[in-house]
Amino acid sequence: DGGITQSPKYLFRKEGQNVTLSCEQNLNHDAMYWYRQDPGQGLRLIYYSQIVNDFQKGDIAEGYSVSREKKESFPLTVTSAQKNPTAFYLCASSPRLARTEAFFGQGTRLTVV
Amino acid sequence: AQKVTQAQTEISVVEKEDVTLDCVYETRDTTYYLFWYKQPPSGELVFLIRRNSFDEQNEISGRYSWNFQKSTSSFNFTITASQVVDSAVYFCALSVAGSARQLTFGSGTQLTVLP
Repeated sequence: DGGITQSPKYLFRKEGQNVTLSCEQNLNHDAMYWYRQDPGQGLRLIYYSQIVNDFQKGDIAEGYSVSREKKESFPLTVTSAQKNPTAFYLCASSPRLARTEAFFGQGTRLTVV
Repeated sequence: AQKVTQAQTEISVVEKEDVTLDCVYETRDTTYYLFWYKQPPSGELVFLIRRNSFDEQNEISGRYSWNFQKSTSSFNFTITASQVVDSAVYFCALSVAGSARQLTFGSGTQLTVLP
């Protein structure tokens, strides 16, 4: 089935550690996105990528890094510089057109312990 | 800059009641697209509808209907005869033509349908 796969579903991180969240899509979409969701809040854009080997900062990129070496993959690294990383992270993809809807993965819940 | 406001943080209704979720947007662009997504407890966002700025026709899909009014910059969502399975967080979102940033989301409305 076509779709977006995020892994792991739950992730625990010790303070000072970097962790990487995986996002893979087989929809042949050019664009991919990472959003952060905090309780009672909407989704905030962390990073986005329109083509391979190119990505742009969103509204809350500090403390995060990404790579886009393959069209299908857009991993997100939460670095130790991110002071409040506990949140729900959603990955999305879409054709590179504003009029098309984005498709979302099932999310990764990251908790700092 | 774009902005989406969903003023209703939480709504509770009893099953079979009708419920309307409000969405107000701001943009200076003349070509834009509005979306509604549903987020069930599992967490994944499920696409419900897309509407472009040149099409103000209301749309109905089963128990769901959408009212788009450019004059008031609103894109409201009504569920008729609500069911317990409708319980979820609903997000309204906006994108503008030519923007690579895709969606700007509202803060969401938590809908609880009680049996």
